[in-house]
Amino acid sequence: GAVVSQHPSWVICKSGTSVKIECRSLDFQATTMFWYRQFPKQSLMLMATSNEGSKATYEQGVEKDKFLINHASLTLSTLTVTSAHPEDSSFYICSASRIWGYEQYFGPGTRLTVT
Amino acid sequence: AQSVTQLDSQVPVFEEAPVELRCNYSSSVSVYLFWYVQYPNQGLQLLLKYLSGSTLVKGINGFEAEFNKSQTSFHLRKPSVHISDTAEYFCAVSDKNNNDMRFGAGTRLTVKP
Repeated sequence: GAVVSQHPSWVICKSGTSVKIECRSLDFQATTMFWYRQFPKQSLMLMATSNEGSKATYEQGVEKDKFLINHASLTLSTLTVTSAHPEDSSFYICSASRIWGYEQYFGPGTRLTVT
Repeated sequence: AQSVTQLDSQVPVFEEAPVELRCNYSSSVSVYLFWYVQYPNQGLQLLLKYLSGSTLVKGINGFEAEFNKSQTSFHLRKPSVHISDTAEYFCAVSDKNNNDMRFGAGTRLTVKP
């Protein structure tokens, strides 16, 4: 149990375009979902936290207009990278939690390359 | 806010040798502690977690960790490593009152034949 999927697993896009990444909890309802970013050989950095039906809470330094997060249902959250630039190239990982203050279950990640 | 320090960025060991990956945390509140493993181009896989109770926690793949509150440490150990244990290992701390999880910088474990 507690499986989280991400789609796509990798994506290449041109600079200036937008890309949407989906995060789904497959066998549980996720009250909270999280989006992380990981640069090569670095740790995970939390970008934002989203609760179903509410606006996402962004970490300091993360542009909310550039990284649009929607958590419309208890099993789906989306991250849209708008007007992508090469510096947005990174590994994006989502996680989901089903009980507040408890464990996060991680997705397999999405590799974004902006050319 | 809580923070995590992984004291070794790289740990090379020979196959079948024991290994310890060190993790220290700081927090003003009670926390949960986790160790994750990440293989190249993959997400995180939970190795083990400490929520409460016994301070010695056993996880998957023969790993274990010990929570030491006085030293604010949560070191990961394995008595005999395999080549397949080569990966990046992350220690993480989560505030018990919310879902705010913070990760250490990671330790690259390389197991040599």
